[in-house]
Amino acid sequence: DVKVTQSSRYLVKRTGEKVFLECVQDMDHENMFWYRQDPGLGLRLIYFSYDVKMKEKGDIPEGYSVSREKKERFSLILESASTNQTSMYLCASRSGGRGDNQPQHFGDGTRLSIL
Amino acid sequence: AQSVAQPEDQVNVAEGNPLTVKCTYSVSGNPYLFWYVQYPNRGLQFLLKYITGDNLVKGSYGFEAEFNKSQTSFHLKKPSALVSDSALYFCAVRDMGSSNTGKLIFGQGTTLQVKP
Repeated sequence: DVKVTQSSRYLVKRTGEKVFLECVQDMDHENMFWYRQDPGLGLRLIYFSYDVKMKEKGDIPEGYSVSREKKERFSLILESASTNQTSMYLCASRSGGRGDNQPQHFGDGTRLSIL
Repeated sequence: AQSVAQPEDQVNVAEGNPLTVKCTYSVSGNPYLFWYVQYPNRGLQFLLKYITGDNLVKGSYGFEAEFNKSQTSFHLKKPSALVSDSALYFCAVRDMGSSNTGKLIFGQGTTLQVKP
């Protein structure tokens, strides 16, 4: 089974801090994704990566950046955390090429609170 | 613009009864459609997908979904609901924009409550 592991289940940080969320997958998937989940809004794509060192903006990239130095690891960075970034963050990975139709596999999420 | 809509925030059904969770979509061209389930404090789990072929798609845990092109719908169904099916369900469509990224557009989610 595919395993996508997010380093923290719960995280509390302060406004203005630089926050790192880590995600690791063990199935050699090319594609990785970061979403945030908010009630009534579903999942919204922040950033994604279809190869090492490659990244593309999703629908809501403002205030975030990402890093993919190794194939198995995709990091989400909040440059200067703000209270409106309090949310559930979900990482996912998928095999196949850029436009493939394989399903995405999700981690269990990080519930981030910014105080 | 491409989009997915789940018109019901919550669906309530008695155990043993059939269930339907509704999804409609708007895309240009042929749609690629997915259903995911999320149990409390967990990530999303893939249930099934429609790419092409038979309009009735079977998936995990006894779920199935019916693709209806004329009604632009992809409703999730199960003949006999279980209390353990209670969860949050998401419909998603693959973005068919010109950049061909393969990213998914998700609906807002529907909470399914199955009562004993």
